[in-house]
Amino acid sequence: KQEVTQIPAALSVPEGENLVLNCSFTDSAIYNLQWFRQDPGKGLTSLLLIQSSQREQTSGRLNASLDKSSGRSTLYIAASQPGDSATYLCAVRSSGTYKYIFGTGTRLKVLA
Amino acid sequence: DAGITQSPRHKVTETGTPVTLRCHQTENHRYMYWYRQDPGHGLRLIHYSYGVKDTDKGEVSDGYSVSRSKTEDFLLTLESATSSQTSVYFCATGTNEKLFFGSGTQLSVL
Repeated sequence: KQEVTQIPAALSVPEGENLVLNCSFTDSAIYNLQWFRQDPGKGLTSLLLIQSSQREQTSGRLNASLDKSSGRSTLYIAASQPGDSATYLCAVRSSGTYKYIFGTGTRLKVLA
Repeated sequence: DAGITQSPRHKVTETGTPVTLRCHQTENHRYMYWYRQDPGHGLRLIHYSYGVKDTDKGEVSDGYSVSRSKTEDFLLTLESATSSQTSVYFCATGTNEKLFFGSGTQLSVL
């Protein structure tokens, strides 16, 4: 059974800092991994998708990496801004299944 | 944004009553999902569908049933609502690669 963990649960940083959010999963046989952003009271917005054959994906100030052998993905946010404040969740789809299992998220606050 | 509409957006109901939540998509995505989101638990999968009339259970399916008679509609039914089913319910649709989410339904069971 796939289990997904995100540490830390909450993070507060000053504006301009580079930061790393972590996602760990227990079964390395994954199909893909997706990072989402959720603003309070809203739905989830997809940020980055990494296929199992890929090592990383980039979009603007965001970079996501994947290391299947260690069961880890990281989301790197460069030059953080107050507008980046949100909860960030990762979701893992295991090979041979259509199900996405989510971590509990990291609540990020970027201070101006 | 993927065209995903959840209805109702908010609902208050009483313990023991049946409740149906609707998810409607205009993207012709094959896969559809129902999740619930609770503090401290993140998103947990209730049921999902991989095609019309093809559904399967997720992590927390007890007390819930689903139906998908058309590609665009995925219904979630709470057969007899309990207070533990008070939650925010999210519908998602998927291509073979990505997930897209609706705006959620806030359900309160009193």
